[in-house]
Amino acid sequence: AQTVTQSQPEMSVQEAETVTLSCTYDTSESDYYLFWYKQPPSRQMILVIRQEAYKQQNATENRFSVNFQKAAKSFSLKISDSQLGDAAMYFCAYRSGTQGGSEKLVFGKGTKLTVNP
Amino acid sequence: KAGVTQTPRYLIKTRGQQVTLSCSPISGHRSVSWYQQTPGQGLQFLFEYFSETQRNKGNFPGRFSGRQFSNSRSEMNVSTLELGDSALYLCASSLQGFTRAFFGQGTRLTVV
Repeated sequence: AQTVTQSQPEMSVQEAETVTLSCTYDTSESDYYLFWYKQPPSRQMILVIRQEAYKQQNATENRFSVNFQKAAKSFSLKISDSQLGDAAMYFCAYRSGTQGGSEKLVFGKGTKLTVNP
Repeated sequence: KAGVTQTPRYLIKTRGQQVTLSCSPISGHRSVSWYQQTPGQGLQFLFEYFSETQRNKGNFPGRFSGRQFSNSRSEMNVSTLELGDSALYLCASSLQGFTRAFFGQGTRLTVV
């Protein structure tokens, strides 16, 4: 079974600074997808960024980028120019690419990000 | 385009009762997944439905069940509620082949 580990329960960053959230995963599959989701106090999960395992290039979405190290099974999220609105729980998630099209996500325990003004 | 809608948003039930939660996916999305979120266990996958068929199932007791209707709306049912069932229940819908799940705002269930 696949597992996702987020080793930082809490992180803090100063507004306008850069922060990196860590995620490692364990799988024997070669075809899969990785995600970072944000959950603000409203509790609605919002997709931040997505990475396909077959792509070597790291995904980027505006101020958000990932460092995908497939051999090391590492998938960290970098947030540049942090804003107060970035404060939330961040979850790393794994989706198999081989389970008959299943959309099942396996989540890490999350990292609570605080942004200080 | 309307997002994923979950009803009700909040629910208080007594131990031993049963409860039904509803999820209306984004129009055109045929895959609906359910997750339980608790402080202790985090986010855990309950089950997934696609075109009215259960496609995948998590490791939960048989008290947890679900179904999907022909319009892709889904319901999950929990029978004989226990205090440990208190959680935020999240529903997500997906458009097949696009590898992106859209989540609803969840139903907060409290069992007393």
